[in-house]
Amino acid sequence: QITLRESGPTLVTPTQTLTLTCTFSGFSLSTSGVGVGWIRQPPGKALEWLALIYWDDDRRYSPSLKSRLNITKDTSKNRVVLTMTNVDPVDTGTYYCAHSIAAPGGNWFDPWGQGTLVTVSS
Amino acid sequence: SYDLTQPLSVSVALGQTASITCSENNIGGKDVHWYQQKPGQAPVLVIYRNSNRPSGIPERFSGSNSGNTATLTISRAQAGDEADYYCQVWDSTTGLFGGGSKLTVL
Repeated sequence: QITLRESGPTLVTPTQTLTLTCTFSGFSLSTSGVGVGWIRQPPGKALEWLALIYWDDDRRYSPSLKSRLNITKDTSKNRVVLTMTNVDPVDTGTYYCAHSIAAPGGNWFDPWGQGTLVTVSS
Repeated sequence: SYDLTQPLSVSVALGQTASITCSENNIGGKDVHWYQQKPGQAPVLVIYRNSNRPSGIPERFSGSNSGNTATLTISRAQAGDEADYYCQVWDSTTGLFGGGSKLTVL
């Protein structure tokens, strides 16, 4: 059974750096084809894909946020970390991590973690 | 770049069939995945690669994709199907979600 859990601060001050951790079990990020992605959702709004890291350390980022994001993995600890620099109140929302498989037609996300709510405010 | 268009809301009578669309130019050339999200919960994959159901998803959920429109169809709609539904594609090397559709079961 695959499970994922997000953790990180609930409140971040504008201009600071947000660091979120995804701790997972039930799969290994050293297995060919496996990836972990991050998706966020502002309150009452739609899902927004942020980043994904593959088993081979290949990293993909949302073009609109690429300059502010960094995704890394610690395979031995079954963790993926997402950092977002220079946060703004518009970055407020629930952040999810999700398991993903590299597929010819493109990845899907299954399952997802429960999400963690991050508020950016002074 | 891609911009996946979904209707903001869809209504269906209890027991009837609901169709939720996801539109973009030539989306039929891509694989489309669908997620269900109930209030306060994380999204759940209900259809992957256009028409495949993950284990545990009822057969009432089906999908199709052709031309400029992908469609999620929910047959014999139940009250428990009320949720937000999102389509998703992989655009070149990045992920992309549609704006979401709220399904109301009347």
